[in-house]
Amino acid sequence: GENVEQHPSTLSVQEGDSAVIKCTYSDSASNYFPWYKQELGKRPQLIIDIRSNVGEKKDQRIAVTLNKTAKHFSLHITETQPEDSAVYFCASTPPGANNLFFGTGTRLTVIP
Amino acid sequence: GAVVSQHPSWVICKSGTSVKIECRSLDFQATTMFWYRQFPKQSLMLMATSNEGSKATYEQGVEKDKFLINHASLTLSTLTVTSAHPEDSSFYICSAKDPGQGNEKLFFGSGTQLSVL
Repeated sequence: GENVEQHPSTLSVQEGDSAVIKCTYSDSASNYFPWYKQELGKRPQLIIDIRSNVGEKKDQRIAVTLNKTAKHFSLHITETQPEDSAVYFCASTPPGANNLFFGTGTRLTVIP
Repeated sequence: GAVVSQHPSWVICKSGTSVKIECRSLDFQATTMFWYRQFPKQSLMLMATSNEGSKATYEQGVEKDKFLINHASLTLSTLTVTSAHPEDSSFYICSAKDPGQGNEKLFFGSGTQLSVL
């Protein structure tokens, strides 16, 4: 089955700097890659997603890039703010699969 | 986005008792819902896939007799932790896909923190 690896497990950045979180997946046929943000004790919230027919997608300060050849995708947060502090999860969905396969999460801390 | 409601948000129970958790899709119909468990500082682990009108599909290592799932309608799935023990203490969270949004995006409930004494 699909295996998703995520790095780093923790990340601290100064407010205003950029943060990058990387994920790799094992099933080359996977075609949908969402990113979720989870604050402590709360539900994961979808923040951005990308499909396999697109290489990059942006939404204000957040962007996701996908390299299908290398089977990895990354989340980029620019101009980080303290409210960006949370745990971020990447995920992937192989075709025909009904559920998402999640990475192990990255705890991002933005230092004011 | 689609709204998934989950209750209760937290529950404390004695060892040996059963706990029922409800998951509702409020503004869409969900033929499939997913139940995850999350231990502190860990990722979301899929426990089972709940299918409306049929038996749930359990992931390897998840005891179907311990974690009873019922998906009796298109908007409600329930997870019952039977004879709960301290090792069952965890954050349980349900999710569903909205067919009206391409059936790809997964929307989560608010989660249930279970503490078994």
